[in-house]
Amino acid sequence: DAKTTQPTSMDCAEGRAANLPCNHSTISGNEYVYWYRQIHSQGPQYIIHGLKNNETNEMASLIITEDRKSSTLILPHATLRDTAVYYCIVRPMNTGFQKLVFGTGTRLLVSP
Amino acid sequence: DTAVSQTSKYLVTQMGNDKSIKCEQNLGHDTMYWYKQDSKKFLKIMFSYNNKELIINETVPNRFSPKSPDKAHLNLHINSLELGDSAVYFCASSQGGGGRGKYEQYFGPGTRLTVT
Repeated sequence: DAKTTQPTSMDCAEGRAANLPCNHSTISGNEYVYWYRQIHSQGPQYIIHGLKNNETNEMASLIITEDRKSSTLILPHATLRDTAVYYCIVRPMNTGFQKLVFGTGTRLLVSP
Repeated sequence: DTAVSQTSKYLVTQMGNDKSIKCEQNLGHDTMYWYKQDSKKFLKIMFSYNNKELIINETVPNRFSPKSPDKAHLNLHINSLELGDSAVYFCASSQGGGGRGKYEQYFGPGTRLTVT
């Protein structure tokens, strides 16, 4: 699996957009970009994934650069409940039960 | 309507004991996983079962033995517990089977195992 690099921590004011970057410069053509988050004392939670096009769902937006070497997860209106560790993961697309390889993630702190 | 559930949120036991953690999912998924999160918060896969068959077995001591009686259940049994086994253990499930690779994993609430 390709390695990812994320900032250790970020701060965001409540109600503002949180933009979490991820570098995956060694990603290969058959690998998706996934984002998960882990709120304190809970299990990881799936947020969004994409291959090359930008994606949006009810939780977040995912912007993937044209060369696919980096991506940004956007929480458009962060709330206090979005405080969590956010993990960017890349994995091959050709199997449904490939393991998730978690890095250290970005600790996002949303403040009032 | 819990999607992925685990038998205990907390387990405290002594070195040398045996313990089991049970996991159940009601999502109709065919693939289940066990992950371990250590004290430094690193989250790492241990095992995965697809349709009751072991498909991923990372380098885990053979004191850890997973068992999948059916697609909806994956249990983890640990023999002769050691201090280093203290961690949070997460069960997860997904709909696998190859194909598009879009199958996100759903995690349980975790079981914090403390070995004294």
